[in-house]
Amino acid sequence: GDSVTQMEGPVTLSEEAFLTINCTYTATGYPSLFWYVQYPGEGLQLLLKATKADDKGSNKGFEATYRKETTSFHLEKGSVQVSDSAVYFCALSAPIQGAQKLVFGQGTRLTINP
Amino acid sequence: NAGVMQNPRHLVRRRGQEARLRCSPMKGHSHVYWYRQLPEEGLKFMVYLQKENIIDESGMPKERFSAEFPKEGPSILRIQQVVRGDSAAYFCASSPDRDSGYTFGSGTRLTVV
Repeated sequence: GDSVTQMEGPVTLSEEAFLTINCTYTATGYPSLFWYVQYPGEGLQLLLKATKADDKGSNKGFEATYRKETTSFHLEKGSVQVSDSAVYFCALSAPIQGAQKLVFGQGTRLTINP
Repeated sequence: NAGVMQNPRHLVRRRGQEARLRCSPMKGHSHVYWYRQLPEEGLKFMVYLQKENIIDESGMPKERFSAEFPKEGPSILRIQQVVRGDSAAYFCASSPDRDSGYTFGSGTRLTVV
C-alpha cells in the first residue's frame, strides 16, 4: 500500500541554520504531496503542497519539490528561526471511496535553539 | 468563519467507559474525516463521512469504534469500553467537497486510565 517515510528525529539546529527534512514515498498512482506542521498542543496546519511531478511548493520560506524519479519531497529552509520549532509531517493523498485520504509519515520533531 | 471545532480538548476515561468525541466542521463543509495519532506517530486515517452517511471506514477498528454525522449537529466518534491502547489524539478534518483540501481541528486528546 501507499506509504511515507521521513527522516527520524529529533532534529536540533541553531537559529539561521539550513534545514533539510527528508521524505520519500511509495504510491501506486500519482499522488499529491504535502508538508504539515504541528505546534505543541495544536492540530495540523498545511505548510505547502505539490500536485504533480516537478512542482515546487513554498510557504513561509520553506520549499519542497515533487521528484517523481526519486519519489521524494524533501523539505528545506535556508535560515530557520526559533519559531519554526514544531513537528513536521510529510503526507501523500491516496484515493478512498469518493474522496482522498492522507497517508502520513511518522513526523520529525524540530527544535531550533537561539 | 470559525475553523473546525473539536471538543472536548482533553478527555480522561477509565478503562471500560465510553468516550464521545465531537467535531463541528467549518461552515459550508459537508465532508468530515477522522484521524488518530498514537504517541510519537503520524496520523492514521479512520473514517470518512458525509451528512448522514459513512462513505469509507476502512481505517476504523472493527469493534468498539463507531462514527456518525447526523443531518443536524456535529460528527461524533464513539469508542465503547475504552482500553489503555485507545489513548491517543483524535483529529477531525473537514472539506467543502471531495476534491478540496482539508482543514484540521485542534484535536481531542484521550487518556485512558
